[in-house]
Amino acid sequence: KAGVTQTPRYLIKTRGQQVTLSCSPISGHRSVSWYQQTPGQGLQFLFEYFSETQRNKGNFPGRFSGRQFSNSRSEMNVSTLELGDSALYLCASSLAQGGHNEQFFGPGTRLTVL
Amino acid sequence: AQKITQTQPGMFVQEKEAVTLDCTYDTSDPSYGLFWYKQPSSGEMIFLIYQGSYDQQNATEGRYSLNFQKARKSANLVISASQLGDSAMYFCAMREHGSQGNLIFGKGTKLSVKP
Repeated sequence: KAGVTQTPRYLIKTRGQQVTLSCSPISGHRSVSWYQQTPGQGLQFLFEYFSETQRNKGNFPGRFSGRQFSNSRSEMNVSTLELGDSALYLCASSLAQGGHNEQFFGPGTRLTVL
Repeated sequence: AQKITQTQPGMFVQEKEAVTLDCTYDTSDPSYGLFWYKQPSSGEMIFLIYQGSYDQQNATEGRYSLNFQKARKSANLVISASQLGDSAMYFCAMREHGSQGNLIFGKGTKLSVKP
């Protein structure tokens, strides 16, 4: 069974641009979560999607948005990029929501904002 | 207040020895899950082991075991017979049932295995 895939793996953008990251969950998984990892803040939750609906959102500005498609694939978008958005963005999938469902992560997209 | 605390920023262990990575957590939700992940320098988060709050026995997965002490709110990871490939960052995380979704991570412990 294929794992979680994320594209692209690396991105370089400049301030003010926007970016879209893609995540394909494990087959059969319906929940997709996004996390941002930076050296200063560590791993922080962005949002979770389940059945094409955003179910939970972390404490990030509205420049960060996402969506989920009917095949459970998810995209996240960051508009008006800032230098501080440079980070590793990790996507995780699980069968369903809830505390007892294991989350499996993809390899991440490393975004650099210049 | 931090919900997940990993007090060891870095640790060294000799190859073939066992090592314990500490994790304490804080929650008022009676239903929660505790997870450990390994993150090599490549960046991918690798799931290692899971412990549910209602599980009676400590979880084990191959060389990994979780020392779950509910009353003390601790969930330490034990790696037996360390290998050079175990050198990585290790993150403890919690997922509260009430929150429905997100994992809350600790700051991580960098483990270095010496030959």
